[in-house]
Amino acid sequence: GAVVSQHPSRVICKSGTSVKIECRSLDFQATTMFWYRQFPKQSLMLMATSNEGSKATYEQGVEKDKFLINHASLTLSTLTVTSAHPEDSSFYICSAHGGGGNEQFFGPGTRLTVL
Amino acid sequence: AQSVAQPEDQVNVAEGNPLTVKCTYSVSGNPYLFWYVQYPNRGLQFLLKYITGDNLVKGSYGFEAEFNKSQTSFHLKKPSALVSDSALYFCAVRDQAGTALIFGKGTTLSVSS
Repeated sequence: GAVVSQHPSRVICKSGTSVKIECRSLDFQATTMFWYRQFPKQSLMLMATSNEGSKATYEQGVEKDKFLINHASLTLSTLTVTSAHPEDSSFYICSAHGGGGNEQFFGPGTRLTVL
Repeated sequence: AQSVAQPEDQVNVAEGNPLTVKCTYSVSGNPYLFWYVQYPNRGLQFLLKYITGDNLVKGSYGFEAEFNKSQTSFHLKKPSALVSDSALYFCAVRDQAGTALIFGKGTTLSVSS
């Protein structure tokens, strides 16, 4: 099956720094990638939808200047958490959708801890 | 707007007994329905999906789900639970191919030996 990777799997950073999370589709071209955020024992909340070569579409309440998303190629999307604060600590999960199929493939997630 | 409801925060079942995890949905068009499982600190694993066709869908690890249009439900079932099935289960829906999935809040399944 299709594989989606995320890097890093876990990151700890100081408050005020920026953190970049990569999401890669390893064996297919992802026309669309999605970024979700999950708090402990809670559901996945969609943050944004990104299409290759165009600006991401953010969900209501998600600060686009704080969560920068770049989908520069058909196999790579990045999420940069700028000036991170402790309340940004969460589990971030990406998923990728390839053209023609109905299924989304999820990455393993990135655990961000901001001290 | 699309939405998914998982009315139970937790389901407890003894090993060997049948299990059901409930899900109801609301979409404006034809639903695309999914079940995923998540183990602690891990990403989501796909279990099964309903797009069209037979209302009873069979998926991974012996799980199945039945699409009921009149009740707008898509309950996850397994005839005989295993301790290793203990995990967090998410129901998800979308109304078009290629759009983001909307997830339910999740149901923790606990299978006791």
